[in-house]
Amino acid sequence: RKEVEQDPGPFNVPEGATVAFNCTYSNSASQSFFWYRQDCRKEPKLLMSVYSSGNEDGRFTAQLNRASQYISLLIRDSKLSDSATYLCVVNNARSGGYNKLIFGAGTRLAVHP
Amino acid sequence: ETGVTQTPRHLVMGMTNKKSLKCEQHLGHNAMYWYKQSAKKPLELMFVYSLEERVENNSVPSRFSPECPNSSHLFLHLHTLQPEDSALYLCASSQDAGGAAADTQYFGPGTRLTVL
Repeated sequence: RKEVEQDPGPFNVPEGATVAFNCTYSNSASQSFFWYRQDCRKEPKLLMSVYSSGNEDGRFTAQLNRASQYISLLIRDSKLSDSATYLCVVNNARSGGYNKLIFGAGTRLAVHP
Repeated sequence: ETGVTQTPRHLVMGMTNKKSLKCEQHLGHNAMYWYKQSAKKPLELMFVYSLEERVENNSVPSRFSPECPNSSHLFLHLHTLQPEDSALYLCASSQDAGGAAADTQYFGPGTRLTVL
């Protein structure tokens, strides 16, 4: 089983649509959770952290369900500029006291006019 | 823009060549990382350096040899690579390698490597 699993998509949605991505992770001891965004042929960039209480940043809402080991990202009022690959990331502590980010393969979003 | 630069941006090399990838971070961070991103696959962590000490080697073949001369610079020395090593190699840095300070990693633009 992959450590972080995502639906690869692509999700093709019109501008203004609401779209949701889901992600599951296998390590129940994972400590922190994130969504990164990666544009085509560019580096990943942190979009937002994910907290159990849920958190919102403008049109983006992230949610974590530790019991189900499930993370979600909701994008409202999609813009053309939201077209990218969204990477689900979990942070696992290592025995040496340092952390290791585990990346999902990403979900591709294409927003069309 | 991100404070992490990588050179070269593109590299084509033969299987018998020796080349090096360079990464520099201008963020004052203590931890640096090498990742490999192959097509349609997740980013794979290769190496982690904390305060110039290597703390993780994620079962990477010896044809990849990292070097961290100081906390701002990270190199990846390549020799006798295989075509399947063709990928995007990304460098990243974070404030520290552990705790909450490791949560946010800043990536460089990557080196797109093609091995012929």
